Amino acid sequence: DAGVTQSPTHLIKTRGQQVTLRCSPKSGHDTVSWYQQALGQGPQFIFQYYEEEERQRGNFPDRFSGHQFPNYSSELNVNALLLGDSALYLCASSSWGATEAFFGQGTRLTVV
Amino acid sequence: QKEVEQNSGPLSVPEGAIASLNCTYSDRGSQSFFWYRQYSGKSPELIMFIYSNGDKEDGRFTAQLNKASQYVSLLIRDSQPSDSATYLCAVTGAYSGAGSYQLTFGKGTKLSVIP
Repeated sequence: DAGVTQSPTHLIKTRGQQVTLRCSPKSGHDTVSWYQQALGQGPQFIFQYYEEEERQRGNFPDRFSGHQFPNYSSELNVNALLLGDSALYLCASSSWGATEAFFGQGTRLTVV
Repeated sequence: QKEVEQNSGPLSVPEGAIASLNCTYSDRGSQSFFWYRQYSGKSPELIMFIYSNGDKEDGRFTAQLNKASQYVSLLIRDSQPSDSATYLCAVTGAYSGAGSYQLTFGKGTKLSVIP
């Protein structure tokens, strides 16, 4: 049984570029949440997807957008990258209405 | 603004001792409380969750919750060098009906277990 998988594991982008990160939830889970973790900080909630709709959103600008596909996998898109977007991006998988969430291995994004 | 506060540490304990990690939260409506372990460069791993006041034990780990004091703690008995990691406290707020739950994390406490 595969856990939460994210791709790619590492990524280097130039300021102003756009990036897409991908996540496949744990088998049996239908809800995907995305978090940003800057160095030395706790993860911060970006948004959550269920039934292919954004259900909740944290305090992140519109440059951050997402999508969920019928197979429950999800993408996180970030436009007009800033140096401050450099972080570990985490995907969390859960069942709708449940509180326990399980994280993928993360994508380390470096913006130069 | 919901806040979760943790002592950043580092907390150093000798091997075999009890490590005590503490967390306070600001939202009195918080319902669920989680402890995640994060090794350097890795993603958080769920180790315990607690919903009700009191203690919950799982192997060497005990989570303690006091909603009146808005305080949650994690005790690690017989600490091992492999327990050296950052421990993240996370809480969920009251269910708003607008969706599923989101986690609010503290900054984490770095634990170092000295052989």
